[in-house]
Amino acid sequence: GAVVSQHPSWVICKSGTSVKIECRSLDFQATTMFWYRQFPKQSLMLMATSNEGSKATYEQGVEKDKFLINHASLTLSTLTVTSAHPEDSSFYICSVKRFGNTEAFFGQGTRLTVV
Amino acid sequence: SQQGEEDPQALSIQEGENATMNCSYKTSINNLQWYRQNSGRGLVHLILIRSNEREKHSGRLRVTLDTSKKSSSLLITASRAADTASYFCATAFTANDYKLSFGAGTTVTVRA
Repeated sequence: GAVVSQHPSWVICKSGTSVKIECRSLDFQATTMFWYRQFPKQSLMLMATSNEGSKATYEQGVEKDKFLINHASLTLSTLTVTSAHPEDSSFYICSVKRFGNTEAFFGQGTRLTVV
Repeated sequence: SQQGEEDPQALSIQEGENATMNCSYKTSINNLQWYRQNSGRGLVHLILIRSNEREKHSGRLRVTLDTSKKSSSLLITASRAADTASYFCATAFTANDYKLSFGAGTTVTVRA
């Protein structure tokens, strides 16, 4: 069964509105979760590392005020795209790792379309 | 930033043939992983190879790692139409590195 549940799988929103994406670790507690962004036919780009109980760590070039991350519990991290614009349209994927040097488990992704 | 580069970008083969794709990276790693992504879906872990390993097998998958050349290859033998997907390599720099750096990916199409 799925290890990571991501919701919603797709969302369409109007420019200027905010969208929240949830990522749940189903099998184990995850102090760290990762958020990626993927453009069509391209690779995954790490946006930020979500840390339970503390601030997220953002990758260079990622606006932290634009992409709000909350990791309020050991099994849930949320990514909120604030004041969304068409250029924010993308595929967003979260992942968790049980331990540092092992494989990552990915959510099914969220297709965001901003119109 | 992306660490790995993969080639080819795209590969089209006939069912039953083997598919080989390569991944090169730039800095020392602790391990390298291969993932598969079906169109519009999340990624599924296929295999992990550590820096002190040279080859690993899992079912129809064979992965090699050459740390001197900073490269890895993924071989899918006896391909099936269901193997049609994008394949990504990802590197972890240290033993406790939670972050993965992904390559550009290879899109494989297996024709029935």
